[in-house]
Amino acid sequence: GESVGLHLPTLSVQEGDNSIINCAYSNSASDYFIWYKQESGKGPQFIIDIRSNMDKRQGQRVTVLLNKTVKHLSLQIAATQPGDSAVYFCAENIGGSNYKLTFGKGTLLTVNP
Amino acid sequence: EADIYQTPRYLVIGTGKKITLECSQTMGHDKMYWYQQDPGMELHLIHYSYGVNSTEKGDLSSESTVSRIRTEHFPLTLESARPSHTSQYLCASSEAGYNEQFFGPGTRLTVL
Repeated sequence: GESVGLHLPTLSVQEGDNSIINCAYSNSASDYFIWYKQESGKGPQFIIDIRSNMDKRQGQRVTVLLNKTVKHLSLQIAATQPGDSAVYFCAENIGGSNYKLTFGKGTLLTVNP
Repeated sequence: EADIYQTPRYLVIGTGKKITLECSQTMGHDKMYWYQQDPGMELHLIHYSYGVNSTEKGDLSSESTVSRIRTEHFPLTLESARPSHTSQYLCASSEAGYNEQFFGPGTRLTVL
């Protein structure tokens, strides 16, 4: 069935490097996307979101890029820190689904000091 | 930090017991959700509510039931727990008209 998925299950980077986490989606009716960070033993925490009428959005140290042509979403983290180590999930809202989110498989980001 | 609470945080219980997982939010959000998450895996929506006296089943079939008698409270009940119910259960809420969901810390349930 149609779902949100991630290209890489794990990503290991050095402290200070930039990280890029990718996400593919297959539902062309999706109109909203959101990235969550989940640390061990905690619930998911909002990082950044983007609507389908945009292709880029920036936050503090994070940038989300949306390529609707190839149905691809990415999260870029600048100057990655050990505190960024967590599992990252992308989620989509399919237009007309009344604010329900469909989550993809997570990517485990490990930041090495 | 979002004001959404879940109790208990951890629960180990024997097969056949009835359990209720509590979820409360103080943000006045209309929408509330329950997700099931196995370790390292994605979240699966099992129940949601758009307001008081509204409950709907999610995308993943679940033997649990929910109720929404008060805006701030969305408990989940398992009448007879089984080992297959072992998982993490996450509660979330969102404001009307917004997609962003705020999550509680989760309840890790183990059924022996």
